[in-house]
Amino acid sequence: EPEVTQTPSHQVTQMGQEVILRCVPISNHLYFYWYRQILGQKVEFLVSFYNNEISEKSEIFDDQFSVERPDGSNFTLKIRSTKLEDSAMYFCASSSQEGTQYFGPGTRLTVL
Amino acid sequence: EDQVTQSPEALRLQEGESSSLNCSYTVSGLRGLFWYRQDPGKGPEFLFTLYSAGEEKEKERLKATLTKKESFLHITAPKPEDSATYLCAVQAPSNTGKLIFGQGTTLQVKP
Repeated sequence: EPEVTQTPSHQVTQMGQEVILRCVPISNHLYFYWYRQILGQKVEFLVSFYNNEISEKSEIFDDQFSVERPDGSNFTLKIRSTKLEDSAMYFCASSSQEGTQYFGPGTRLTVL
Repeated sequence: EDQVTQSPEALRLQEGESSSLNCSYTVSGLRGLFWYRQDPGKGPEFLFTLYSAGEEKEKERLKATLTKKESFLHITAPKPEDSATYLCAVQAPSNTGKLIFGQGTTLQVKP
């Protein structure tokens, strides 16, 4: 059964460092998303991406964040200068249309 | 403001004891309501999509229903392996696919 994969499963970084979180969406999907979940809190929307451009971004997704689909299979989230408050689980999701989204297992980001 | 509220926050059941989880939502135009299961440290696992009031979906011991203001996830004769956090999400009226999640109901089923 096709699934969304994410790497790494856990990333530890120093405050101010850049991190890139990687995702491989389900192969025939066209819509891609990033969400995050701070420990004990709700899953929060960050950004949606379609046709090689951002279709919507949340207030959280400021200039420190960027997304890219560098080739036909990967979808990345970059945080340019990490802050302590960026520590969270980051989930990638994909969908074939604007309907059911399938989530990856997540990357746990720890900023020290 | 679009909002999703789930209750109860936590639920403890004995194996075989049926119950229901509630998801109340306020959104200016519902495009879809989704139920996910989340195990600790894992990503949300898709369960159901509901699009219109009156719709029902079933899968094994789970049944999801939808009205104009809320959705219920009914769990019949639960087993310990049903223990997880159940998340409800609505799709925002914008056509970008954004999901708005509730805070979840953590279910524990004791043998």
